[in-house]
Amino acid sequence: ETGVTQTPRHLVMGMTNKKSLKCEQHLGHNAMYWYKQSAKKPLELMFVYSLEERVENNSVPSRFSPECPNSSHLFLHLHTLQPEDSALYLCASSQESVGTEAFFGQGTRLTVV
Amino acid sequence: KQEVTQIPAALSVPEGENLVLNCSFTDSAIYNLQWFRQDPGKGLTSLLLIQSSQREQTSGRLNASLDKSSGRSTLYIAASQPGDSATYLCAVSGWETSGSRLTFGEGTQLTVNP
Repeated sequence: ETGVTQTPRHLVMGMTNKKSLKCEQHLGHNAMYWYKQSAKKPLELMFVYSLEERVENNSVPSRFSPECPNSSHLFLHLHTLQPEDSALYLCASSQESVGTEAFFGQGTRLTVV
Repeated sequence: KQEVTQIPAALSVPEGENLVLNCSFTDSAIYNLQWFRQDPGKGLTSLLLIQSSQREQTSGRLNASLDKSSGRSTLYIAASQPGDSATYLCAVSGWETSGSRLTFGEGTQLTVNP
């Protein structure tokens, strides 16, 4: 158990659907992140939340909408996705201090059909 | 823009062999470097974190070294076991204002054969 829990583990959705990915951390951290892992590509940082404020959005399309209601929870709301958005979405957390160790969840395997 | 490269992309070794995985990065101004393990379809497990001021870190059969000036790190695995089979990822963190924004390599897929 890594202390970072993601649900669901697997998700299949149509291009017109709306769904949400959930991440919860039990490590007392105050920074949370969404990463995308596509086949044959390195993990890419999507969003950064520090002290519950979004501090980074790495040119992610608006069909991905993050939400961080408190320091323990992070959501990724999905709507009108494309098949190329199919990937493993990983949540991570760390302390807000620069360069602290990051801990990852098990990921949500998303398939867009 | 920071780029991280891992060589080899895949490695297959017999059980008991010592092995070295390589990681290189283009911008030496890193804050730290982390090695992760990823099992198929799973998340990442942190193995070792090396601060930029350090030269190496050890955990059990694992030893990671860092040469920041040359932009290189190695992960040494001693006496490999079939349970070590996984993808190993290297990631670096820059001097950001806060948090741990990681730039990853593509990973080395390791298979240890019994």
